Amino acid sequence: GESVGLHLPTLSVQEGDNSIINCAYSNSASDYFIWYKQESGKGPQFIIDIRSNMDKRQGQRVTVLLNKTVKHLSLQIAATQPGDSAVYFCAGSTYSGAGSYQLTFGKGTKLSVIP
Amino acid sequence: DADVTQTPRNRITKTGKRIMLECSQTKGHDRMYWYRQDPGLGLRLIYYSFDVKDINKGEISDGYSVSRQAQAKFSLSLESAIPNQTALYFCATSEAGLAGVEDTQYFGPGTRLTVL
Repeated sequence: GESVGLHLPTLSVQEGDNSIINCAYSNSASDYFIWYKQESGKGPQFIIDIRSNMDKRQGQRVTVLLNKTVKHLSLQIAATQPGDSAVYFCAGSTYSGAGSYQLTFGKGTKLSVIP
Repeated sequence: DADVTQTPRNRITKTGKRIMLECSQTKGHDRMYWYRQDPGLGLRLIYYSFDVKDINKGEISDGYSVSRQAQAKFSLSLESAIPNQTALYFCATSEAGLAGVEDTQYFGPGTRLTVL
Protein backbone atom coordinates (compact mmCIF):
# COMPACT_ATOMS: atom_id res chain seq x y z
CA GLY A 1 0.00 0.00 0.00
CA GLU A 2 0.84 3.66 -0.16
CA SER A 3 2.93 5.21 2.53
CA VAL A 4 4.09 8.76 2.61
CA GLY A 5 6.64 9.75 5.17
CA LEU A 6 8.99 12.51 6.10
CA HIS A 7 12.72 12.17 6.67
CA LEU A 8 12.99 14.51 9.65
CA PRO A 9 10.43 15.11 12.39
CA THR A 10 11.87 18.54 13.33
CA LEU A 11 13.75 21.28 11.53
CA SER A 12 15.15 24.49 13.01
CA VAL A 13 16.07 27.31 10.64
CA GLN A 14 17.45 30.80 11.16
CA GLU A 15 15.14 33.58 10.06
CA GLY A 16 16.00 34.64 6.53
CA ASP A 17 17.56 31.32 5.57
CA ASN A 18 15.97 28.87 3.16
CA SER A 19 14.17 25.79 4.49
CA ILE A 20 13.96 22.42 2.83
CA ILE A 21 11.47 19.81 4.02
CA ASN A 22 11.67 16.37 2.48
CA CYS A 23 9.13 13.63 1.87
CA ALA A 24 9.37 10.11 0.46
CA TYR A 25 6.55 8.06 -0.97
CA SER A 26 6.32 4.37 -1.74
CA ASN A 27 3.54 4.04 -4.33
CA SER A 28 4.82 4.85 -7.80
CA ALA A 29 1.18 5.11 -8.94
CA SER A 30 0.70 8.29 -6.91
CA ASP A 31 0.01 11.02 -9.42
CA TYR A 32 -0.66 14.13 -7.39
CA PHE A 33 1.05 15.56 -4.34
CA ILE A 34 0.14 18.33 -1.94
CA TRP A 35 1.97 20.17 0.79
CA TYR A 36 -0.01 21.40 3.77
CA LYS A 37 0.94 23.74 6.59
CA GLN A 38 -0.61 23.30 10.02
CA GLU A 39 -0.19 26.01 12.62
CA SER A 40 -0.82 25.28 16.26
CA GLY A 41 -4.52 24.95 17.02
CA LYS A 42 -5.56 25.13 13.38
CA GLY A 43 -6.45 22.76 10.60
CA PRO A 44 -4.05 21.94 7.75
CA GLN A 45 -3.83 24.65 5.11
CA PHE A 46 -3.06 24.00 1.45
CA ILE A 47 0.30 25.45 0.36
CA ILE A 48 1.16 24.08 -3.05
CA ASP A 49 0.58 21.02 -5.19
CA ILE A 50 2.26 19.24 -8.03
CA ARG A 51 1.15 16.67 -10.55
CA SER A 52 3.30 13.70 -11.49
CA ASN A 53 3.91 15.02 -15.01
CA MET A 54 5.91 17.92 -13.53
CA ASP A 55 9.18 17.97 -11.62
CA LYS A 56 9.02 21.50 -10.25
CA ARG A 57 6.40 24.03 -9.34
CA GLN A 58 6.83 27.44 -7.80
CA GLY A 59 4.56 29.54 -5.67
CA GLN A 60 5.11 32.61 -3.62
CA ARG A 61 8.34 31.90 -1.67
CA VAL A 62 7.70 28.16 -1.97
CA THR A 63 8.90 25.60 -4.47
CA VAL A 64 8.01 21.93 -4.65
CA LEU A 65 10.36 19.51 -6.38
CA LEU A 66 9.32 16.04 -7.43
CA ASN A 67 11.76 13.26 -8.25
CA LYS A 68 9.76 10.30 -9.48
CA THR A 69 12.86 8.19 -10.02
CA VAL A 70 13.56 8.01 -6.30
CA LYS A 71 9.97 8.74 -5.22
CA HIS A 72 10.88 11.85 -3.33
CA LEU A 73 9.49 15.34 -3.08
CA SER A 74 10.62 18.40 -1.22
CA LEU A 75 9.22 21.73 -0.14
CA GLN A 76 11.57 24.68 -0.27
CA ILE A 77 10.71 27.87 1.56
CA ALA A 78 12.75 30.91 0.63
CA ALA A 79 13.72 33.55 3.19
CA THR A 80 12.01 31.73 6.04
CA GLN A 81 10.01 33.96 8.35
CA PRO A 82 8.75 33.45 11.93
CA GLY A 83 5.24 33.02 10.51
CA ASP A 84 6.44 29.94 8.67
CA SER A 85 6.81 28.08 11.97
CA ALA A 86 4.36 25.20 11.76
CA VAL A 87 4.06 21.50 11.02
CA TYR A 88 4.30 20.68 7.33
CA PHE A 89 2.64 17.61 5.83
CA CYS A 90 3.04 16.06 2.44
CA ALA A 91 0.19 14.04 0.97
CA GLY A 92 0.02 11.79 -2.06
CA SER A 93 -3.07 11.04 -4.11
CA THR A 94 -3.54 7.69 -5.79
CA TYR A 95 -6.35 6.66 -8.07
CA SER A 96 -8.21 3.78 -6.44
CA GLY A 97 -10.73 3.05 -9.19
CA ALA A 98 -14.32 4.08 -10.07
CA GLY A 99 -13.46 7.75 -10.00
CA SER A 100 -12.07 7.59 -6.47
CA TYR A 101 -8.80 9.04 -5.26
CA GLN A 102 -7.25 8.33 -1.91
CA LEU A 103 -5.05 10.88 -0.21
CA THR A 104 -2.39 9.53 2.14
CA PHE A 105 -0.65 11.90 4.54
CA GLY A 106 2.84 11.82 5.95
CA LYS A 107 3.34 12.27 9.67
CA GLY A 108 4.61 15.83 9.46
CA THR A 109 7.78 17.87 10.04
CA LYS A 110 7.81 20.63 12.62
CA LEU A 111 9.58 23.73 11.33
CA SER A 112 10.86 26.16 13.95
CA VAL A 113 12.19 29.51 12.82
CA ILE A 114 14.84 31.08 15.05
CA PRO A 115 14.59 34.91 15.10
CA ASP B 1 -10.57 27.98 6.63
CA ALA B 2 -13.75 29.92 7.44
CA ASP B 3 -15.55 28.15 4.58
CA VAL B 4 -15.43 24.90 6.52
CA THR B 5 -16.78 25.01 10.06
CA GLN B 6 -16.86 22.36 12.75
CA THR B 7 -18.88 22.13 15.92
CA PRO B 8 -18.14 21.73 18.72
CA ARG B 9 -14.52 22.90 18.81
CA ASN B 10 -13.84 21.09 22.07
CA ARG B 11 -15.68 18.28 23.78
CA ILE B 12 -15.05 16.19 26.85
CA THR B 13 -17.19 13.11 27.31
CA LYS B 14 -17.28 9.83 29.18
CA THR B 15 -16.79 6.29 27.98
CA GLY B 16 -19.96 4.83 26.47
CA LYS B 17 -21.56 8.14 25.53
CA ARG B 18 -22.80 8.88 22.02
CA ILE B 19 -21.11 11.84 20.41
CA MET B 20 -21.82 13.68 17.18
CA LEU B 21 -19.41 16.04 15.48
CA GLU B 22 -20.80 18.38 12.86
CA CYS B 23 -19.21 19.81 9.75
CA SER B 24 -20.62 22.44 7.42
CA GLN B 25 -19.12 24.00 4.31
CA THR B 26 -19.97 26.93 2.11
CA LYS B 27 -17.46 26.11 -0.61
CA GLY B 28 -19.99 24.27 -2.72
CA HIS B 29 -17.77 21.20 -2.85
CA ASP B 30 -19.24 17.78 -3.47
CA ARG B 31 -16.63 15.82 -1.57
CA MET B 32 -16.31 15.76 2.20
CA TYR B 33 -14.02 13.85 4.55
CA TRP B 34 -13.47 13.08 8.20
CA TYR B 35 -9.97 12.56 9.59
CA ARG B 36 -8.51 12.04 13.00
CA GLN B 37 -5.10 13.30 14.02
CA ASP B 38 -3.01 11.71 16.75
CA PRO B 39 0.47 12.81 17.80
CA GLY B 40 3.11 11.00 15.76
CA LEU B 41 0.55 9.39 13.46
CA GLY B 42 -0.43 12.24 11.19
CA LEU B 43 -3.88 12.40 9.62
CA ARG B 44 -5.87 9.21 9.11
CA LEU B 45 -9.03 8.98 7.03
CA ILE B 46 -12.16 7.76 8.83
CA TYR B 47 -14.91 8.20 6.22
CA TYR B 48 -15.44 10.13 3.03
CA SER B 49 -18.35 11.07 0.82
CA PHE B 50 -18.23 12.08 -2.82
CA ASP B 51 -21.85 13.26 -2.90
CA VAL B 52 -25.01 13.10 -0.83
CA LYS B 53 -25.75 9.48 -1.72
CA ASP B 54 -22.20 8.25 -1.42
CA ILE B 55 -20.50 7.09 1.79
CA ASN B 56 -17.18 5.26 1.90
CA LYS B 57 -15.09 3.82 4.69
CA GLY B 58 -11.59 5.08 5.15
CA GLU B 59 -8.58 3.60 6.85
CA ILE B 60 -10.01 3.56 10.40
CA SER B 61 -13.81 3.47 10.25
CA ASP B 62 -14.44 0.99 13.09
CA GLY B 63 -16.31 2.63 15.96
CA TYR B 64 -17.50 5.53 13.80
CA SER B 65 -20.45 6.28 11.55
CA VAL B 66 -21.30 9.22 9.32
CA SER B 67 -24.28 10.93 7.80
CA ARG B 68 -24.29 13.20 4.74
CA GLN B 69 -27.43 15.19 5.36
CA ALA B 70 -26.91 17.58 2.47
CA GLN B 71 -24.15 18.67 0.13
CA ALA B 72 -22.97 21.13 2.74
CA LYS B 73 -23.21 18.95 5.85
CA PHE B 74 -21.34 15.85 6.93
CA SER B 75 -21.54 14.59 10.50
CA LEU B 76 -19.41 12.05 12.33
CA SER B 77 -20.82 9.94 15.16
CA LEU B 78 -19.20 7.87 17.85
CA GLU B 79 -21.96 5.52 18.98
CA SER B 80 -20.21 4.49 22.17
CA ALA B 81 -17.11 6.56 22.80
CA ILE B 82 -13.97 4.93 24.18
CA PRO B 83 -10.78 6.55 25.51
CA ASN B 84 -8.64 5.63 22.50
CA GLN B 85 -10.92 7.80 20.38
CA THR B 86 -9.45 10.81 22.14
CA ALA B 87 -7.98 12.81 19.27
CA LEU B 88 -8.23 15.88 17.11
CA TYR B 89 -10.87 15.45 14.41
CA PHE B 90 -10.82 17.32 11.13
CA CYS B 91 -13.42 17.70 8.44
CA ALA B 92 -12.28 18.52 4.92
CA THR B 93 -13.85 19.24 1.55
CA SER B 94 -12.66 19.04 -2.02
CA GLU B 95 -13.88 19.64 -5.52
CA ALA B 96 -13.18 16.98 -8.07
CA GLY B 97 -11.07 18.37 -10.89
CA LEU B 98 -11.92 17.90 -14.52
CA ALA B 99 -9.44 15.07 -14.79
CA GLY B 100 -10.31 13.78 -11.35
CA VAL B 101 -6.75 14.29 -10.18
CA GLU B 102 -6.94 17.65 -8.50
CA ASP B 103 -8.25 16.63 -5.13
CA THR B 104 -6.87 19.41 -2.94
CA GLN B 105 -8.64 19.27 0.38
CA TYR B 106 -9.60 22.27 2.49
CA PHE B 107 -9.78 21.65 6.20
CA GLY B 108 -11.93 22.91 9.00
CA PRO B 109 -10.43 24.16 12.30
CA GLY B 110 -10.79 20.82 14.04
CA THR B 111 -12.63 19.40 17.05
CA ARG B 112 -10.64 18.32 20.07
CA LEU B 113 -12.39 15.33 21.61
CA THR B 114 -11.45 13.84 24.97
CA VAL B 115 -13.03 10.60 26.14
CA LEU B 116 -12.57 9.92 29.83
